[in-house]
Amino acid sequence: AQSVTQLGSHVSVSEGALVLLRCNYSSSVPPYLFWYVQYPNQGLQLLLKYTSAATLVKGINGFEAEFKKSETSFHLTKPSAHMSDAAEYFCAVSGGNQGGKLIFGQGTELSVKP
Amino acid sequence: DTEVTQTPKHLVMGMTNKKSLKCEQHMGHRAMYWYKQKAKKPPELMFVYSYEKLSINESVPSRFSPECPNSSLLNLHLHALQPEDSALYLCASSLYHSYNEKLFFGSGTQLSVL
Repeated sequence: AQSVTQLGSHVSVSEGALVLLRCNYSSSVPPYLFWYVQYPNQGLQLLLKYTSAATLVKGINGFEAEFKKSETSFHLTKPSAHMSDAAEYFCAVSGGNQGGKLIFGQGTELSVKP
Repeated sequence: DTEVTQTPKHLVMGMTNKKSLKCEQHMGHRAMYWYKQKAKKPPELMFVYSYEKLSINESVPSRFSPECPNSSLLNLHLHALQPEDSALYLCASSLYHSYNEKLFFGSGTQLSVL
């Protein structure tokens, strides 16, 4: 079965600092990987997705993620954090025998300090 | 129009009440989803409709009854709920029900069961 693990339920960075949110996946088949963001009192919004076309994936709002098969990782980064980036971030995986279901990680809450 | 609209935004109901949640999209998507999200947790899949037919029911109790009247509308009928059913209910849609499809989420209905 597929799964994702997000390391760190809460990450705090200063405004302008590098954002790094970690995600490791487990899959017996080539996975499809996603990062979604949830702002307070809102639904989820897709930041980016990996579908094997390129290992470095660029998303919205300056975020990007790199697929590393050898490390089974799909970490999310942003060079310079903005206050508006404060939100909950979910890594997710689909594919294989999950019947098209999206399997979410537990989420990482990002706080940005002024 | 790239929105998924959910109504109502907030709902308070007693354990003997019957209520319905409504979800609407006009993006021509053929797959629609209901998710349940508890505070500080990832969304949990409840139901998937594909081409207006129920394709996935994640062993959801019968007090939750989904309905897809047409390709743009998705309802969730609620009856005899329990306090532990209090949560954010999210509707989502995608072009098709497939491994790599982007999900578009609504802002959710915050449900409180008294």
